Amino acid sequence: EVQLVESGGGLVQPGGSLRLSCAASGFTFSSYEMNWVRQAPGKGLEWVSYISSSGSTIYYADSVKGRFTISRDNAKNSLYLQMNSLRAEDTAVYYCARDLSGWSTYYFDYWGQGTLVTVSS
Amino acid sequence: SSELTQDPAVSVALGQTVRITCQGDSLRSYYASWYQQKPGQAPVLVIYGKNNRPSGIPDRFSGSSSGNTASLTITGAQAEDEADYYCNSRDSSGNSWVFGGGTKLTVL
Repeated sequence: EVQLVESGGGLVQPGGSLRLSCAASGFTFSSYEMNWVRQAPGKGLEWVSYISSSGSTIYYADSVKGRFTISRDNAKNSLYLQMNSLRAEDTAVYYCARDLSGWSTYYFDYWGQGTLVTVSS
Repeated sequence: SSELTQDPAVSVALGQTVRITCQGDSLRSYYASWYQQKPGQAPVLVIYGKNNRPSGIPDRFSGSSSGNTASLTITGAQAEDEADYYCNSRDSSGNSWVFGGGTKLTVL
């Protein structure tokens, strides 16, 4: 059974840092591309970042570029999101999601349960 | 970056058919995927590609696409289908993804 379990969320002051983790199991993690997606309270979904299976290709949303860093450790079946210079608008539930693609289609087939990040003084 | 536009809210009578639409330039290049999200839960993939359902998704869910518009159709809506629905596609630039704003479906 595919499982994605996020951890590392919590309360942090503006300007602070936090590192999120996503532990993957039930599939060959090193073969899959991964993403972080977030959802502010009462708001819609927002894509945050992508990393290829090897980690060689990385993309970020403009809203987090220069502040967040995505990474992975295939030996540990884990995905990470280092978040620096946090702002109030970064407050959200952060989900990790497995990425699949086909002909002209890209989709997130499995999601974790999410971890809440609250940026507040 | 591209945007995907969805109607904020749609309602349907129990057992009737409802279509939820998603518009955006990126849909001319990529198929949309659709996600169902119930309160307090993570999103669940319901439709991807031309019209594909993951295992476990009822066949009353279907997808279609034409030009810059993708549609999710629920034929014979059930009470348990009441949820928020989001469309998503890769951005036309190919280096980002975009979600629609979401449609809140109410089953009457």
